[in-house]
Order: sequence, then structure tokens, then C-alpha cells
Amino acid sequence: DTEVTQTPKHLVMGMTNKKSLKCEQHMGHRAMYWYKQKAKKPPELMFVYSYEKLSINESVPSRFSPECPNSSLLNLHLHALQPEDSALYLCASSHPMGLAGGSSGPDTQYFGPGTRLTVL
Amino acid sequence: SQQGEEDPQALSIQEGENATMNCSYKTSINNLQWYRQNSGRGLVHLILIRSNEREKHSGRLRVTLDTSKKSSSLLITASRAADTASYFCAKSASYGKLTFGQGTILTVHP
Repeated sequence: DTEVTQTPKHLVMGMTNKKSLKCEQHMGHRAMYWYKQKAKKPPELMFVYSYEKLSINESVPSRFSPECPNSSLLNLHLHALQPEDSALYLCASSHPMGLAGGSSGPDTQYFGPGTRLTVL
Repeated sequence: SQQGEEDPQALSIQEGENATMNCSYKTSINNLQWYRQNSGRGLVHLILIRSNEREKHSGRLRVTLDTSKKSSSLLITASRAADTASYFCAKSASYGKLTFGQGTILTVHP
């Protein structure tokens, strides 16, 4: 199974709502990532989890709160978002850097299809 | 910016032609990867080239890396309409972090 799944596919929320994005993988990867992608722009890294611990936070506002409950799941909790937070949110997973595995290289990342978020 | 810069920003070709996309970067790398993204969807890994490699092939894809010029190129031979997508290079330099270039939008006309 080389699939990363994300739910929901689309989400529309008001600025006062609380919602969560979910990501799941069953490839045995111990590194998981959240990216934000605006239209016609490249993905921008938000968070990295390695062995279920937060290892990188790219100075993301606190209205985004990541959580890694176990090695297969990654959540992104959203609260009091702004309209400019509307974007495609991508989840990815990989073997942790430095751990050999897979024919594509140790840090090849496998992406989910994304959640299209609209903040009204 | 440490992001890779890609050119061209957009490329339009006919089926059967070759497509070449270029990527430049500013700092040292562990490896450089190429990804494809169909409109509004997730990214698909295409190929990874390590810093000590100069060329790599995968099917109709050929990637080159010139570390002295800090540049890489992706060649897609005998293009197909299904190759229409955005293509991103991504630099891997530090723990778990990929930095993506601005991307090239490729359109292959049937």
C-alpha cells in the first residue's frame, strides 16, 4: 500500500469554526508532513513529525495545531482561521532522513491528494 | 530565497515532442527530487538524483545534475497528453525538509 489518504477532500469553514484535517498512511513511514499550497505556487512546508514527535515547525501561526496520535495518523486542527488561509493542504509521509529504505531514496515523500480549504 | 528557481514557467508542446525543464538552486544539497502535480491534486514523486550522481533515467524521464552550476534538468521524451501537469523540483538539504521550486506548467497538445 503506497497510498496516503486525506479527509475531507473539501472543507468550507467560517472564521470562528474549529475543524480538523486528517491524514493516514500504512507504509510504515515514521516521518509525516503538512504542507500548504496556494494557487499557482509551490507547496510550503508547515510541520514535520518524526517518530511521532514534532521536529520542524516553520513558524506557523498558532491557529494551526498539528497532532500525531500514532505512527499512521496525522491531524491538523484549525481554529479562528483567516480568509488568507484558504489553500490546498497536503499531507506527506516518508522514511525519516538518514534511514535507508525504498528504491526511490530514503527521503522520497509520498503525498496525499490534499484537502481544499476555503475560509469565509 | 533558498527555493529552487525553475524555467520555463510554462511550456506548451505537441504530443511526441520532448520537454525540458530546468531548476537552479543556491545552497548545497543532499539530493534533488522531481515531482509532478496534476491540477489541484497531490504531488507524485518522479525521480531522485543524489548529489554525487550526474544523470539518472526512469522510463521516458532523464534527469541531470550539475552541482558546480547548482542546476538540474528534467527531460521528458516523446511526450503524451497525459504528461500535462505542473512539475516541481525539490531540494533536500536538511532533516526531513524539502524546498520546492516555483514549478513549470507543462501542456502537451494532442
